[in-house]
Order: sequence, then structure tokens, then C-alpha cells
Amino acid sequence: EAGVTQFPSHSVIEKGQTVTLRCDPISGHDNLYWYRRVMGKEIKFLLHFVKESKQDESGMPNNRFLAERTGGTYSTLKVQPAELEDSGVYFCASSQVGQGVNSPLHFGNGTRLTVT
Amino acid sequence: AQSVTQPDIHITVSEGASLELRCNYSYGATPYLFWYVQSPGQGLQLLLKYFSGDTLVQGIKGFEAEFKRSQSSFNLRKPSVHWSDAAEYFCAVLGRGGLTGGGNKLTFGTGTQLKVEL
Repeated sequence: EAGVTQFPSHSVIEKGQTVTLRCDPISGHDNLYWYRRVMGKEIKFLLHFVKESKQDESGMPNNRFLAERTGGTYSTLKVQPAELEDSGVYFCASSQVGQGVNSPLHFGNGTRLTVT
Repeated sequence: AQSVTQPDIHITVSEGASLELRCNYSYGATPYLFWYVQSPGQGLQLLLKYFSGDTLVQGIKGFEAEFKRSQSSFNLRKPSVHWSDAAEYFCAVLGRGGLTGGGNKLTFGTGTQLKVEL
């Protein structure tokens, strides 16, 4: 079984530029999550998709962040325009729907974003 | 709102020594509790979890954790550390109301970086 795949693994951009992160969940996983870890801080929830629908986006920091999951498969997270404080590691995770807490989260390796 | 505290940012142990990583949580009731590990260049991997029942839970790679309600703690332990255990460890909680859409919205601690001396 292929795991959760994130692309790119690293991205370095200048302040004001746009970056798009991609996540391919495990096939058949309808739950998809984005988390972020800013340097030295805790990993924080950003949002949760069930299929193509945003179930909970309470963790999105501001309207410079846009997440999509067209067709309910892969997801993208766009940051536009990027600011210095957006630097960090962005994790994607997926799980099956219907098993509640018994469905473990499978995490990708993360995308390390550096805004200079 | 729930929160997680991992008081140790860095810990260094010798290979073969025992290990205990501390985790304290804040939540009004008994939460679901997790420990994850992130090895260099890897994603987060679930080590173990506590939902209910026996307060001592066994996980992968020889790790165990004990839930202590009176101390709001869920410390991770391993009797004998191997060099390959060097990684960053995260404690996480899920409130029992956090099952929106059948999913898992976790609250993580800041992590503990484990270094193993040979």
C-alpha cells in the first residue's frame, strides 16, 4: 500500500510569492487533514476534508491560505502571498471514514516551506 | 480547549539505558491519547494509543506508555534504548468530542528530541 505522498519535500520562496503544496492520500481514504509545524512549536491542525468537502477549517491562519480537494482525491494547499511567518513544515494525513477514532492517521513526510 | 505539554525539548540517553518521555495534558475529561515518532526525513508514525481500559499500553518498537488520570499524564517509556530510536517524539490528545465527520483532530505537544549516545 502506497503511503501518503507530499510534494514538494522542500520549497524555498521569497516573501510575496505563491506556493502550492500537494498531498496524495492513501487510496480509499476519504479523510484528509493538513497540519503545520512552525519552527520549535507544536504541530497544529489546519483543516479537515471529508472527500471533497471541507469539514473543519478552523485552524487555517488567514485568507492567504486556500485548500482544495477537487474530486475528493489529492489536495492542494496554496499560500498566496507568502509571508515570513508561514515558514514551517506542512504535514498531510489521511484516514478512513466510518471507524471514528479507531481509524489511525497516516502522515506524509511533510513539505518544508521556507519563506525568505 | 485541550492542550498538551512536553516539558523536555531535548533528551540524551546512552544506548541500552532506559527512557521516559513526559507528557501532560489538559482536558476536562478522559481524552484519547497518542504518541507519535518522527525519524529524520520521515513522516509521523503512530507508536501507541490509549482509548480506555488498561492504563498501561504497549506499542511498536518496544515502547509503552502509562495513563495516569490523577496526574493528567501519559508518559512514554522504553526499558532499553537503541541507537535507531533517535528521533523526535510527539504526544497528542484527541478530545472525545473531536470526532467531527468521523475524523481525528489532534492537539500535539511541542515534541521531545531524543539523542542516543553510543
